[in-house]
Amino acid sequence: AQTVTQSQPEMSVQEAETVTLSCTYDTSESDYYLFWYKQPPSRQMILVIRQEAYKQQNATENRFSVNFQKAAKSFSLKISDSQLGDAAMYFCAYRSASENNNDMRFGAGTRLTVKP
Amino acid sequence: ETGVTQTPRHLVMGMTNKKSLKCEQHLGHNAMYWYKQSAKKPLELMFVYNFKEQTENNSVPSRFSPECPNSSHLFLHLHTLQPEDSALYLCASSPGRFAAGYFGPGTRLTVT
Repeated sequence: AQTVTQSQPEMSVQEAETVTLSCTYDTSESDYYLFWYKQPPSRQMILVIRQEAYKQQNATENRFSVNFQKAAKSFSLKISDSQLGDAAMYFCAYRSASENNNDMRFGAGTRLTVKP
Repeated sequence: ETGVTQTPRHLVMGMTNKKSLKCEQHLGHNAMYWYKQSAKKPLELMFVYNFKEQTENNSVPSRFSPECPNSSHLFLHLHTLQPEDSALYLCASSPGRFAAGYFGPGTRLTVT
């Protein structure tokens, strides 16, 4: 079964600085999707960024970008120019591209604090 | 807000009660999901419905019973729960099985 590991339970960053959140996963599949979700305190979980495994180019969304290393099974999230509103729990998630597998696996999350 | 609503937002129930959680999505998505989020544990996928058909049941105890009457509504019927079932229950929808999920705000369930 696929597993997703976020080795940093907590991270902090100074406002306007850059922070990188780590995520590794274990799978024997070659085709899959990876996601980063953000869950602010007492607010809904929202999608931050998505990466298809067959794409070599790293996904970017404004200040958010990923470093996808397929061979290393690593999928880190970089937040540039951090803002106070970036403070949240961040979850890395894996979804198989197999027709027979609807499961979506999440990491345990990283709590990001942004210091003014 | 992402177009996925859940009611109630908070629920306290005794172990012998029967209650239902409701999820509604206004996004025209085909797939809907129930997740359980417990403290200090990763999100756990409970049920998946694709075009109203259940396609996944991750060994969830029978005291949790899902219902998907149409592609816009999803229910989770609860009965004879245990205190360890206390958690945040999240509903999500997606335009396809391989697309990202759009989450609702969740129902905070406390079983006493």
